[in-house]
Amino acid sequence: NAGVTQTPKFRILKIGQSMTLQCAQDMNHNYMYWYRQDPGMGLKLIYYSVGAGITDKGEVPNGYNVSRSTTEDFPLRLELAAPSQTSVYFCASSYSRTDSYEQYFGPGTRLTVT
Amino acid sequence: DAKTTQPTSMDCAEGRAANLPCNHSTISGNEYVYWYRQIHSQGPQYIIHGLKNNETNEMASLIITEDRKSSTLILPHATLRDTAVYYCIVRPLNTGFQKLVFGTGTRLLVSP
Repeated sequence: NAGVTQTPKFRILKIGQSMTLQCAQDMNHNYMYWYRQDPGMGLKLIYYSVGAGITDKGEVPNGYNVSRSTTEDFPLRLELAAPSQTSVYFCASSYSRTDSYEQYFGPGTRLTVT
Repeated sequence: DAKTTQPTSMDCAEGRAANLPCNHSTISGNEYVYWYRQIHSQGPQYIIHGLKNNETNEMASLIITEDRKSSTLILPHATLRDTAVYYCIVRPLNTGFQKLVFGTGTRLLVSP
């Protein structure tokens, strides 16, 4: 299994541009998550999904959109990029069982908005 | 979810035990203590979790006090590869959806 994969690894955007961060998992996990991590800080939840077609906001959703058309993929869309969105973005997934305890993270996408 | 408090940084000599404390004095009866770590520039990695009994796996041991208000993650023989930020997180296990609330964690530096 490849686990959780993210593309691209790095990206530089100009203010006002848009882009989509890709995330895919091959573990048949129902739950998927997007976090952002600013320098020296912990991760903050942006959006999450409990299954295909179902998404919900996390702690810091403003400026982002998500969709979940398949179990495997959970792209994060940035519209009108702003410098405040400069961050490292991590995608994660987990099982939906109530005894599930581990969240699996991807390698991250480092985004700079200038 | 209960709030956790961890020291900002700790040092450990290679081969020695690393003991990382976490305070979670407002923990509820149904909340578990989780530990994740984040090696530089990588995504966080699950280490261990527990409710009230001490737990051990191939990576670490978790000691939870009897009143459950604090815990200690123990890396028995720290190596240079254990240099990372360690996050203590408290959350209920009885929810499949895992909303992990990350603080700033403890930055552990293992030196030769």
